[in-house]
Formats: sequence, C-alpha cells, structure tokens
Amino acid sequence: GAGVSQSPRYKVAKRGQDVALRCDPISGHVSLFWYQQALGQGPEFLTYFQNEAQLDKSGLPSDRFFAERPEGSVSTLKIQRTQQEDSAVYLCASSSTQPYEQYFGPGTRLTVT
Amino acid sequence: AQSVTQLDSHVSVSEGTPVLLRCNYSSSYSPSLFWYVQHPNKGLQLLLKYTSAATLVKGINGFEAEFKKSETSFHLTKPSAHMSDAAEYFCVAGSARQLTFGSGTQLTVLP
Repeated sequence: GAGVSQSPRYKVAKRGQDVALRCDPISGHVSLFWYQQALGQGPEFLTYFQNEAQLDKSGLPSDRFFAERPEGSVSTLKIQRTQQEDSAVYLCASSSTQPYEQYFGPGTRLTVT
Repeated sequence: AQSVTQLDSHVSVSEGTPVLLRCNYSSSYSPSLFWYVQHPNKGLQLLLKYTSAATLVKGINGFEAEFKKSETSFHLTKPSAHMSDAAEYFCVAGSARQLTFGSGTQLTVLP
C-alpha cells in the first residue's frame, strides 16, 4: 500500500511568516510522530500522537510550534512567526501498535529566508 | 533517558570489501535498537531492529548487527559492500513512543 506522504516537499518562507506542513500516515496506523532534522544531523523527536491524542510534545522547541491530528489520521505541524533557526527537514513517521517500527515519509524541507 | 553515539561520521570502503559502522548506546533500561538508512532525497528506511529476541539481527540487503550488552554496542556490518550501499546510516534507540537518533555515519563506497 501507499507509504507515508508529506506535503509540500519544499517550502520557502520569509522570516516571520506562518507555515503549515502536512502528513498523511499509512492507513490504519495509530501512532504518528514528527521529527526535525537539521543539516548534517540526525532527526530529533518533536511530538507523538496516538490516534487524535497528543501524548508527548516534549520535543517541540518553542510555543511557536504546534501540531494537531484532529481525526486521528492526517496531521499538521504548524510553525508560527518562522525564524531562520527553524530551517530544517521535517519528517513525519507512523506506526501500528504492534510491531511498532516507524515508517517515515520523505520529509518537508523548510528554508526560512 | 537514552542516547546513541555513532563513532564515525564518515566511513569509506572499496566495493566488495566489508563494512563496519559502529554504534554505542546508553539507556537506563534495555531499549529497542534499530538501524535506518537514508539515501539522498529519500525517506528513512528501516534496515533492521533488535528487540531482545536474538543478539545477532539480520536485516535487508545483507546487513546485520550484533547487540553486545557488556559493551553497550550495536555495530552494523556487511560482508561485501555494493555501490548502492552509499548512503547515510543512523543508529537509533527507541520505544513505542519515541526514537533517539545518532548523528549518522556517511558511507562512501569506492569503485
């Protein structure tokens, strides 16, 4: 079946603009994750959903970052008032309850100018 | 809390020679351990995972990894490198709720 998809694949935003990044998980996957990958680094955990419940948002770097998954499927990561340090690839992953391997999307590359 | 250290940021091998990518982990409990591969402009792909069933884990594309608790290591190996193996490799520790990635090892395969 289809894998995890993300849109847009590339986003350029001017400093101060708001952006919204979308993730479509694998159908039926209960868990959804967001990660941030800076250039030359490994991905870093941002937040985790189980169905529509956001169970862990400890990795969100500031209150400008907000994620939602209102119907337990598609998720949106929103970044308000973007800053240059927000430039990174944002990865979405999903998993079923068992086994819980995470399957990753291709990512959205955000560049803040 | 858990952390992962990949000991080499770059590894270069000749095609047909063995590959060794080193990883050490630190965790307050016995974590699940994974290796993921990331090809340019492609998503992360799971190579293999360790979940305490067997210490030697076989993955896709001929890769395998051995969990050594006494050394807190989970090194990735392949007997014979192929050009298509050139990519970034991540050692990962995790649970159902969160993955902690190492900083990655860039593997170059020379003809």
